[in-house]
Amino acid sequence: QKEVEQNSGPLSVPEGAIASLNCTYSDRVSQSFFWYRQYSGKSPELIMSIYSNGDKEDGRFTAQLNKASQYVSLLIRDSQPSDSATYLCAVIFIAGGTSYGKLTFGQGTILTVHP
Amino acid sequence: DVKVTQSSRYLVKRTGEKVFLECVQDMDHENMFWYRQDPGLGLRLIYFSYDVKMKEKGDIPEGYSVSREKKERFSLILESASTNQTSMYLCASSFQGRGREQYFGPGTRLTVT
Repeated sequence: QKEVEQNSGPLSVPEGAIASLNCTYSDRVSQSFFWYRQYSGKSPELIMSIYSNGDKEDGRFTAQLNKASQYVSLLIRDSQPSDSATYLCAVIFIAGGTSYGKLTFGQGTILTVHP
Repeated sequence: DVKVTQSSRYLVKRTGEKVFLECVQDMDHENMFWYRQDPGLGLRLIYFSYDVKMKEKGDIPEGYSVSREKKERFSLILESASTNQTSMYLCASSFQGRGREQYFGPGTRLTVT
C-alpha cells in the first residue's frame, strides 16, 4: 500500500520564524511531489512542486526532496499569520508503468503562526 | 491563470434524490478528478478521467458515477443520495504530461438530509 505520511500537528511557530513541514512516503517508485495549502473551508491551493532531488525555492517557500530517504519537506521562511493553514503533501506514484497523474495525499499538517 | 469551476458552492439534497455535480476547466487539461474530503479522512479519490468518455474508479467509487462528454467538463453523479455522502466535493484537473500539477475548483459542500 503506497502511503504518504505527515505529522498532523498542530505546528505552532512565532511570526517571523521558519516553519518546517515534513512528509515521508512509502514507495520508491514515485514521480512527482507537491505541497498544497488549504485554508479552513477552502479548496487546496498548489504552492510548490518538486521532481528531482535537492532544493527548490519560490519566494519564502523552499521544497526539499530526498528520494533515497523517501522524504520531502517544505520550509516557510519569515512565517506570517496568513500562512496559518493546513499543508497537504501529495505524491504521484507510478504503478504498472503509468499513473494517470493520480495524487496520493497525506493527512495534512495544521500550521499556526502566532503574532 | 488556471480556472476550475464547480456548479455550486453549497447544495442541500434529500435522501434518495439524484444529484449532479458539475466541474468545468478552461486549461485544456486531459485529466480530471473528483475527490471528497471529510474530517479525519483526508482527501479521497472517487473517480478520474484521462480523456473524453474515459473514466477510471478511484479509491471510493461506490454510490457514484461520472460522465465526461466534453474535454472541459466532468460531472459527478450521485444516483441516490444518502446521508453518508454528506461531504465537501472537490474537482481537480491536470495535464497528462509535464508536471501533472493538479488544480482544484472551489469545492461543493453537499448536505444530504
